[in-house]
Amino acid sequence: NAGVTQTPKFQVLKTGQSMTLQCAQDMNHEYMSWYRQDPGMGLRLIHYSVGAGITDQGEVPNGYNVSRSTTEDFPLRLLSAAPSQTSVYFCASMLGLQTEAFFGQGTRLTVV
Amino acid sequence: AQSVTQLDSQVPVFEEAPVELRCNYSSSVSVYLFWYVQYPNQGLQLLLKYLSGSTLVKGINGFEAEFNKSQTSFHLRKPSVHISDTAEYFCAVSDVANFGNEKLTFGTGTRLTIIP
Repeated sequence: NAGVTQTPKFQVLKTGQSMTLQCAQDMNHEYMSWYRQDPGMGLRLIHYSVGAGITDQGEVPNGYNVSRSTTEDFPLRLLSAAPSQTSVYFCASMLGLQTEAFFGQGTRLTVV
Repeated sequence: AQSVTQLDSQVPVFEEAPVELRCNYSSSVSVYLFWYVQYPNQGLQLLLKYLSGSTLVKGINGFEAEFNKSQTSFHLRKPSVHISDTAEYFCAVSDVANFGNEKLTFGTGTRLTIIP
C-alpha cells in the first residue's frame, strides 16, 4: 500500500510565487489534514477536511487554500509565497479522530 | 478548544536508563490522547493511544503511557532506553464529542537524545 503520498519532497519558491502541494491517500480515509512543522513549535494545523466537499480552517490558515473534490486527494495551495511560509509541510489522513493518523514523508519548502 | 503542553523541549538520557516524557492537556470535554514519534527526516508514526478504559496503555518499542484525568496528564515512559529511541516525540489530543471541532492537536514536541 502506498499510504499517504506527498509531492514534491523539496521545493524552493521566490516570494510572491504560487504553488500547490499535492497529497493523496489510498486508504479510503474520510479525514485529511495539513500541518506545518517549525522548530520549537511542533505541528500546527493549517486546514483539515472531514470528507469530500468539506473543509475547515485550522490554527494557521492564512495564506493557504485547500479543496477536497475527491476522498483521495487534498491539495494545499500557497497563493503568494512569503518567507514566513518556509517550513516542512505534512499531510495526514485517518479513518476517524480516534484512529491512527498516517503521515506523508513531508515537503520541505523554502521561500526566498 | 483543546490544547497540549509538552514542557520539556529536550531530554538527554543515558542508554539503558529510564525516561519519562511529560504531556499535559486541556479540554472542556472528554478526549482521546496519542503519542507519536518522528525519526530524523521522516513523517510521524503512532506509538500508542488512549481512547477509554484502562488508564495504562502500552505501545510499540516498549513504551507505555498513563492517563491521569485529575491531573490532565498523559506522560510517556520507557524503563530502559536504547540508542534507536533517539527521536522527537509528540503528544496529541482530539475531543471525543467533536462535532464542529474535528481537530487533532499536537504539542510542541520533546527531542529525546540517548547518550551512549
